[in-house]
Amino acid sequence: DSGVTQTPKHLITATGQRVTLRCSPRSGDLSVYWYQQSLDQGLQFLIQYYNGEERAKGNILERFSAQQFPDLHSELNLSSLELGDSALYFCASSQRDRGIAGNTIYFGEGSWLTVV
Amino acid sequence: AQTVTQSQPEMSVQEAETVTLSCTYDTSENNYYLFWYKQPPSRQMILVIRQEAYKQQNATENRFSVNFQKAAKSFSLKISDSQLGDTAMYFCAFKPRGTGKLIFGQGTTLQVKP
Repeated sequence: DSGVTQTPKHLITATGQRVTLRCSPRSGDLSVYWYQQSLDQGLQFLIQYYNGEERAKGNILERFSAQQFPDLHSELNLSSLELGDSALYFCASSQRDRGIAGNTIYFGEGSWLTVV
Repeated sequence: AQTVTQSQPEMSVQEAETVTLSCTYDTSENNYYLFWYKQPPSRQMILVIRQEAYKQQNATENRFSVNFQKAAKSFSLKISDSQLGDTAMYFCAFKPRGTGKLIFGQGTTLQVKP
């Protein structure tokens, strides 16, 4: 158990809909990351938050948005869903951005999203 | 562009034997971190081992060790005394210091045979 908690574990929804994925980082971790794993794109970095502020942005679509709340949990919002958005979405966290400990990223179990 | 390449899509090994998974990366950075993650059929991403680029000593975690060759930009994973539970996809990952982005290789599927 990495200590990173994600809900829901599985989600099936229709095209055009909107979903929210939730993540609680490991205790004490300030950084939260979101990654997408799909069959054709592999593991892709979406976005990072550090202590409530956006720190880095990757291949995140405009239909997707995220935020990190004062209690450090994070949500990834996916809207106007398309079939191609079906994937495993990982949340991950790390400590302060220093040294090997701060740069080691621990992953949650992922949220399976199926768009039908 | 920073890239990570795992040239072995699939590998197999007999239980109790040793296997080495290859990984090369391309970067102009001098300070960075390297990782191996394991993804079993449950799809959870599990950290196996990590290495700081400025440390020449190869990291070791129980049956797992790495061969880090900075000049060659190579970071291979050796699994000793392979166990059935080691069956998984293994991802090599690169992270520049101070950035939030892990760059993953394509993965190597390892099957441990009884």
